Amino acid sequence: GEDVEQSLFLSVREGDSSVINCTYTDSSSTYLYWYKQEPGAGLQLLTYIFSNMDMKQDQRLTVLLNKKDKHLSLRIADTQTGDSAIYFCAEMAGNNRLAFGKGNQVVVIP
Amino acid sequence: NAGVTQTPKFRVLKTGQSMTLLCAQDMNHEYMYWYRQDPGMGLRLIHYSVGEGTTAKGEVPDGYNVSRLKKQNFLLGLESAAPSQTSVYFCASRPIDRVANTGELFFGEGSRLTVL
Repeated sequence: GEDVEQSLFLSVREGDSSVINCTYTDSSSTYLYWYKQEPGAGLQLLTYIFSNMDMKQDQRLTVLLNKKDKHLSLRIADTQTGDSAIYFCAEMAGNNRLAFGKGNQVVVIP
Repeated sequence: NAGVTQTPKFRVLKTGQSMTLLCAQDMNHEYMYWYRQDPGMGLRLIHYSVGEGTTAKGEVPDGYNVSRLKKQNFLLGLESAAPSQTSVYFCASRPIDRVANTGELFFGEGSRLTVL
């Protein structure tokens, strides 16, 4: 079955880079995702990467995928206070279900 | 365009009471999901539906029932609430996009349920 692991907490100073890591188990996942949850809100898709890619860059976001080690990371450049949130990685499991990690809370210190 | 709407947003129940959470989406999505979010546990899938009239169990289905009588609505029922069901519940939906299905889920804002 699918299992997605994340560390739980990260604090970072405004302007620095943040890196969040995730490991997953289902090597057949076609897409891997990063979702962002702001306080009191639902999750919103931040970015995704197709499994045949190693890297995807989207403005301040860089996603790295290491399929051999089943490792996914999200780098946020020039972290801003609006980036304070919980970040979830997720993989598309069988039967059209998304399996989420436990989430990583990022706190940006001004 | 309201997206995914959950009602109620907050509810307090006593042990043994029953209630239904309603999820409504106006995007004509085929797939709908109910998750629960607990501290340190992430999101866990309770039940899901791949179309009107169909439902399936997720990771943690015990103590919950669901129905998808209309495509736009997905109901989550608790027949006899227990304190372990205190949680924040999220509904989500997504379309079938046969050309470029990235699998993006669209989430509601959550329903906070407390069982005393």
